[in-house]
Amino acid sequence: GAVVSQHPSWVICKSGTSVKIECRSLDFQATTMFWYRQFPKQSLMLMATSNEGSKATYEQGVEKDKFLINHASLTLSTLTVTSAHPEDSSFYICSARGDGAGYGYTFGSGTRLTVV
Amino acid sequence: RKEVEQDPGPFNVPEGATVAFNCTYSNSASQSFFWYRQDCRKEPKLLMSVYSSGNEDGRFTAQLNRASQYISLLIRDSKLSDSATYLCVVTSGGGADGLTFGKGTHLIIQP
Repeated sequence: GAVVSQHPSWVICKSGTSVKIECRSLDFQATTMFWYRQFPKQSLMLMATSNEGSKATYEQGVEKDKFLINHASLTLSTLTVTSAHPEDSSFYICSARGDGAGYGYTFGSGTRLTVV
Repeated sequence: RKEVEQDPGPFNVPEGATVAFNCTYSNSASQSFFWYRQDCRKEPKLLMSVYSSGNEDGRFTAQLNRASQYISLLIRDSKLSDSATYLCVVTSGGGADGLTFGKGTHLIIQP
């Protein structure tokens, strides 16, 4: 089945630094990638939707200049958390969807970000 | 009003029991419905899609009531490994739409 690889699994960084999270579709072409964030005991919240080669569409309340999304190829999307602060500490998960009726939403394994 | 509402639980049930939980969604334009399972600190994994006619997959049965905007999940003969958080998920349809998640219902199966 479809596999999405997400790295890193976890990261601890200092406040003010930037962190890049990668999401790769391994055996299918992901025309659309979604980035979610989940705070403890909360539901996954969609942050942005990106289509290959075009700018990401951000959900209301998500700062596009802080959460930079690049979807340069059909198999790779990256999320960069710029100038991270402790309140950005969360579980970030990507999800990819390919073309065709048989492609559902495949999730990466998530990245647990802790900003200290 | 929240888009997808679920009882967070936790539901504590003995092994072998039958348990059911449900969720309601607010967007009447929603077209696709799913139940996902999420284990602690892991990514969600698709459990099953939900169809208007109702569908069954082994011990799991899902039902959709579009008129009431209500989705249910029934687990029969529960196993210890069924302990997890079950997420009700809807989407407006089309590949360009992200998923809208409920907060999840926490299920604990006790030996």
